[in-house]
Amino acid sequence: AQSVTQPDIHITVSEGASLELRCNYSYGATPYLFWYVQSPGQGLQLLLKYFSGDTLVQGIKGFEAEFKRSQSSFNLRKPSVHWSDAAEYFCAVGAGNSGGYQKVTFGTGTKLQVIP
Amino acid sequence: DAGITQSPRHKVTETGTPVTLRCHQTENHRYMYWYRQDPGHGLRLIHYSYGVKDTDKGEVSDGYSVSRSKTEDFLLTLESATSSQTSVYFCAILREGGYGYTFGSGTRLTVV
Repeated sequence: AQSVTQPDIHITVSEGASLELRCNYSYGATPYLFWYVQSPGQGLQLLLKYFSGDTLVQGIKGFEAEFKRSQSSFNLRKPSVHWSDAAEYFCAVGAGNSGGYQKVTFGTGTKLQVIP
Repeated sequence: DAGITQSPRHKVTETGTPVTLRCHQTENHRYMYWYRQDPGHGLRLIHYSYGVKDTDKGEVSDGYSVSRSKTEDFLLTLESATSSQTSVYFCAILREGGYGYTFGSGTRLTVV
């Protein structure tokens, strides 16, 4: 079974500073990897995804993530954080099975606080 | 958002009463999911469906049942609500081709 670890429960960064949110996954084959963002009181929105190919993927809102198979990691980055990026971020790993469907397991989330 | 709606958005119910939450999609996707979200636990899968009348359990299915009699509707039922089921419940559809989930806006359920 797949699993996801987000080691940082809470991160605080200054507006304009760079950001990196960590994600480590466990899965026996090549996984589908996702980052979602959740603003307070809202549902989850897909930021970006990785399936195959280029290990550096670009997403919405200026975010990017890099898949590193050797480290089982899929860290999320942004070069310059804006106050509107304050939210909770979830890493997720997806896997298929014999039924052909995709089941996604989520990490416990990282809350990002942005200070002026 | 993107053709998926959950109802109700908020509900307060008493311990021991049955509760049904509804997820409705307008895009004819095959796979639908119910998750619960709790602080420190992220999202945990309750049940999922891979077609009409085809459902299976997730990791936290005890105390919950689901039904899918039509492609567009996926119902989650708490047969006898308990305080431990106070949570925010999210429905999701899978956009096939590996595009990931699209989530509903959630239902905040409080069991008193």
